[in-house]
Amino acid sequence: ILNVEQSPQSLHVQEGDSTNFTCSFPSSNFYALHWYRWETAKSPEALFVMTLNGDEKKKGRISATLNTKEGYSYLYIKGSQPEDSATYLCAFVEDDKIIFGKGTRLHILP
Amino acid sequence: NAGVMQNPRHLVRRRGQEARLRCSPMKGHSHVYWYRQLPEEGLKFMVYLQKENIIDESGMPKERFSAEFPKEGPSILRIQQVVRGDSAAYFCASSPFGATEAFFGQGTRLTVV
Repeated sequence: ILNVEQSPQSLHVQEGDSTNFTCSFPSSNFYALHWYRWETAKSPEALFVMTLNGDEKKKGRISATLNTKEGYSYLYIKGSQPEDSATYLCAFVEDDKIIFGKGTRLHILP
Repeated sequence: NAGVMQNPRHLVRRRGQEARLRCSPMKGHSHVYWYRQLPEEGLKFMVYLQKENIIDESGMPKERFSAEFPKEGPSILRIQQVVRGDSAAYFCASSPFGATEAFFGQGTRLTVV
C-alpha cells in the first residue's frame, strides 16, 4: 500500500495571509497527482490534475507545483479568505487507482 | 448534466443486516471508485471498477464486502452482516477515464446500531 503524506494536518491562518502545505508521494512509477478541496458538508472537488515534473497550475489565488523526481507537491494560497476554509486533499494515481492523503485542514481566522 | 448520485444519503442498519449503497456515475463516466471515511481519517480507497469489471479491490475487506458495476444501472457497494465498525461515510467517485479528475457524490452515511 503506497503512502501519500500531507503536512501539516491542520493549519490556522489569519485572513489575508498567504500559506502553503505539502504532499509527498512515492517518486517511482509516477503517473499523476491530483489536488482536491473538501468543504464541510459538501463533497471533494478537484482543483488540479498534475502530470509533468515541474508542472505549475494556477486557479485564482490558489496554485500548485509538482516535483516528481523528489516526490512532492506544494499547494499555495495567496491572500487567504474565509471561503478558503476547507480540507485540502492530494491524491496519487497508481495503476489508475486514486489514493488520497489524509488532507490538510485549513482554518482561516477573521 | 447531473453529478454523481449516491443513495441513500443516510442508512441505519442493525448489526447482522445487509447494507446496499448505490452510486450512479456522471453520464459518460465508465470508471467508479469507492472510498470509506472514518472519523479523523481521510478517504480510504476500497475498490475501483469499470463497467462489468472489478479492476482493483485491494482496499476492500475480504469478507462481507462486495462491489459491482453492472452494464446497466448503478454501482452497488454491498456490506453483509454489518457490524458497528462498518459505521462510516462511504463516498463514490466517477471519471470518464482512469486516473483523470474524479467527481464525487455526496456520500452515504452508514450507521450500524
